[in-house]
Amino acid sequence: DGGITQSPKYLFRKEGQNVTLSCEQNLNHDAMYWYRQDPGQGLRLIYYSQIVNDFQKGDIAEGYSVSREKKESFPLTVTSAQKNPTAFYLCASRTGGGFSEQFFGPGTRLTVL
Amino acid sequence: AQKITQTQPGMFVQEKEAVTLDCTYDTSDQSYGLFWYKQPSSGEMIFLIYQGSYDEQNATEGRYSLNFQKARKSANLVISASQLGDSAMYFCAMSPNTNAGKSTFGDGTTLTVKP
Repeated sequence: DGGITQSPKYLFRKEGQNVTLSCEQNLNHDAMYWYRQDPGQGLRLIYYSQIVNDFQKGDIAEGYSVSREKKESFPLTVTSAQKNPTAFYLCASRTGGGFSEQFFGPGTRLTVL
Repeated sequence: AQKITQTQPGMFVQEKEAVTLDCTYDTSDQSYGLFWYKQPSSGEMIFLIYQGSYDEQNATEGRYSLNFQKARKSANLVISASQLGDSAMYFCAMSPNTNAGKSTFGDGTTLTVKP
């Protein structure tokens, strides 16, 4: 079955540590996205990538980094520079263009202890 | 810059009745897509319905329909015959018709269906 997988589902981190969230898709989609969601709020775009080896900052990129070495993979690193990283993180992909819907992974809930 | 406004933080509806969730948007793009997603308490985002800016007819998908009024820049979601399983958070989103299709989401509306 085609879809998007994110791991882990729950992640705990100590302050000052970097942590990497995994996102893999087998939908053959070109574009991939990372969003952050805080309780009771909407999604905010962190980074997005249209093709392999290329990515752009979204609205809240500070303290985060990404890579896109393979079409199917778009990992997100939450660095120690991110002041308030506790949140729900969603990865998404789409075939391309603003006229297609996004497919979302199940999300990773990150808690900083 | 794009902006999505959902003015109803929470809504209640009786089972089997219809409900309208409001969404207004602002954009300078001429070509764009409008989307509604459902987020149950489990957290996953489920695509419901799509409307293109050039579509003249309102989109429908089963019990979901999108009331698109371009001049008013509104894209309200109508859910007919509400079911208990419709209780969730609902997000309106828009994307310009570019390769990246960078999306903007509203803050969402929490819908509770009462038995």
